[in-house]
Amino acid sequence: EDKVVQSPLSLVVHEGDTVTLNCSYEVTNFRSLLWYKQEKKAPTFLFMLTSSGIEKKSGRLSSILDKKELFSILNITATQTGDSAVYLCAVESSQGAQKLVFGQGTRLTINP
Amino acid sequence: GAVVSQHPSWVICKSGTSVKIECRSLDFQATTMFWYRQFPKKSLMLMATSNEGSKATYEQGVEKDKFLINHASLTLSTLTVTSAHPEDSSFYICSARDQRQGVGSPLHFGNGTRLTVT
Repeated sequence: EDKVVQSPLSLVVHEGDTVTLNCSYEVTNFRSLLWYKQEKKAPTFLFMLTSSGIEKKSGRLSSILDKKELFSILNITATQTGDSAVYLCAVESSQGAQKLVFGQGTRLTINP
Repeated sequence: GAVVSQHPSWVICKSGTSVKIECRSLDFQATTMFWYRQFPKKSLMLMATSNEGSKATYEQGVEKDKFLINHASLTLSTLTVTSAHPEDSSFYICSARDQRQGVGSPLHFGNGTRLTVT
């Protein structure tokens, strides 16, 4: 059974700090790993990773995938209060209907 | 970018009634849509895969007679919660992939529907 585990489950830091969120996975026929940010409603897409060792970057956010060790990290530098959200990691298998299996999420709180 | 619209955004209903939730892809076609359920402070759990023109595929433990899915067209999927009970109260989110972006494109989510059954 496909499985995604995120850590930590909850994290509270001060504005300006750098945070690293972790995601480990087990999936049959891995296709991709995705990171989403969820505030009050629907998750919004951040990154899709398919290849090992290639960092994806968007502003203060970056992510990288290690397909040998089966994990990914999401880094956020110079955090701002607007970064407070639940960050979800999901993996997609190339089998079947390409559905996503989500981790439990990391609830990130940035205090001013 | 691809937009998925979900309606209603929230609904309150009495036990025993049925509720229909609509999911539309606004600027693209989707032969497949996915319905997720999310409990408070929990992650998204896939309920079923909605297939245009054929029956939905339900995940293990999801009652197909309870959660009726109809994918009537390439831009519309509906989820009907039949004979709702308080334990069905949850946040329901649909998602779809813009096929124009290819098989490897990310899923885009609707804004979700918060269902409260009294």
